[in-house]
Amino acid sequence: EDQVTQSPEALRLQEGESSSLNCSYTVSGLRGLFWYRQDPGKGPEFLFTLYSAGEEKEKERLKATLTKKESFLHITAPKPEDSATYLCAVQPAGANNLFFGTGTRLTVIP
Amino acid sequence: DTAVSQTPKYLVTQMGNDKSIKCEQNLGHDTMYWYKQDSKKFLKIMFSYNNKELIINETVPNRFSPKSPDKAHLNLHINSLELGDSAVYFCASSQALLAGTDTQYFGPGTRLTVL
Repeated sequence: EDQVTQSPEALRLQEGESSSLNCSYTVSGLRGLFWYRQDPGKGPEFLFTLYSAGEEKEKERLKATLTKKESFLHITAPKPEDSATYLCAVQPAGANNLFFGTGTRLTVIP
Repeated sequence: DTAVSQTPKYLVTQMGNDKSIKCEQNLGHDTMYWYKQDSKKFLKIMFSYNNKELIINETVPNRFSPKSPDKAHLNLHINSLELGDSAVYFCASSQALLAGTDTQYFGPGTRLTVL
């Protein structure tokens, strides 16, 4: 059965304190792994898609990496505006729907 | 120039009522989706439509009926609302079914509260 587990559930960081969020997945063939950011009261906002192990993508202070079993979202020198829930989702091969994890709620303290 | 829009943003109603949520996308995408996000923030697929044709229908009560008048619109009608239907419903769209680049773009959500 396709499954996505994210850890930690919640993370508090001081401004400038780098860290990583984890997304472990079990899927019968991976078509793509997606990272989204969700602010309170809003819809998920697309960040990255990763397709194969070893792939990395960067955007400002965020960097996403992918292995055959997990993905990491690295946050370098975070700012308070990075506070949000970060969602990971996998798309199985041959399917077009996404299976989401429950997210990591990140709080960056000034 | 909102890409995926939903109306209404908030919906409060009594048990047993029938209600609809509307979704429109102006991205020219062929595939649209409905997701449900529960109180624990878990997002789960409900339906997927490709070019007005139903593709995915997860285990959802048949009180929920999606309707796609054209490929830019996907509405969700809910009959005989129950307390457990309270959640945030998100519409999303992607370029094409099983396309190489099929990132899903989400609407702002509709918070449904059933009293």
